[in-house]
Amino acid sequence: SYELTQPPSVSVSPGQTARITCSGDALPKQYAYWYQQKPGQAPVLVIYKDSERPSGIPERFSGSSSGTTVTLTISGVQAEDEADYYCQSADSSGTWVVFGGGTKLTVL
Amino acid sequence: EVQLVQSGAEVKKPGESLKISCKGSGYSFTSYWIGWVRQMPGKGLEWMGIIYPGDSDTRYSPSFQGQVTISADKSISTAYLQWSSLKASDTAMYYCARQSDSSSSEGGFDPWGQGTLVTVSS
Repeated sequence: SYELTQPPSVSVSPGQTARITCSGDALPKQYAYWYQQKPGQAPVLVIYKDSERPSGIPERFSGSSSGTTVTLTISGVQAEDEADYYCQSADSSGTWVVFGGGTKLTVL
Repeated sequence: EVQLVQSGAEVKKPGESLKISCKGSGYSFTSYWIGWVRQMPGKGLEWMGIIYPGDSDTRYSPSFQGQVTISADKSISTAYLQWSSLKASDTAMYYCARQSDSSSSEGGFDPWGQGTLVTVSS
């Protein structure tokens, strides 16, 4: 079955830049999406179609794609950005939706 | 405002059946795919399956095929997730979520419901 691979954890100090990667063989063919989930809350879409930002999401959130890896970048990290982040995409045929394992972002 | 509102928390015994719901409002319910996502305690998100309420076209993750049933009643803008015989391992938070793009079944999900906590314990 198709898998998306994320690092389990990323730590940054406030004001620094956090980069969270997501790797998968079908990413050159399929868009990636990123979600932020804070404890006790439902996930929130923060990036769609690799690099688009939904309305209401701060500009410090951005996404990029290169080959089989997509990256969520949070510039000028704030304490409120501490959360779990999940990437999501589809297999090469576009039949199955897949989530990455999630990355816990810790703001030191 | 586009909104998905899920039914309340459930406590069930192993072997019991259950049907939880997800009611959409603020948009054309029949025009967007709705997916279901499981999150076991302390774990990540798992895609279970998706339904197009317009014609009830349904797709299941191989991991959940045969374990659950996804359905929808477009007359009341509600999608459902049901089990015929619950197991302790079904204990989890279950989210419904709408596809953000009406033309896609495998795109991003926005918005999400608030989640329904299902606890299965003897």
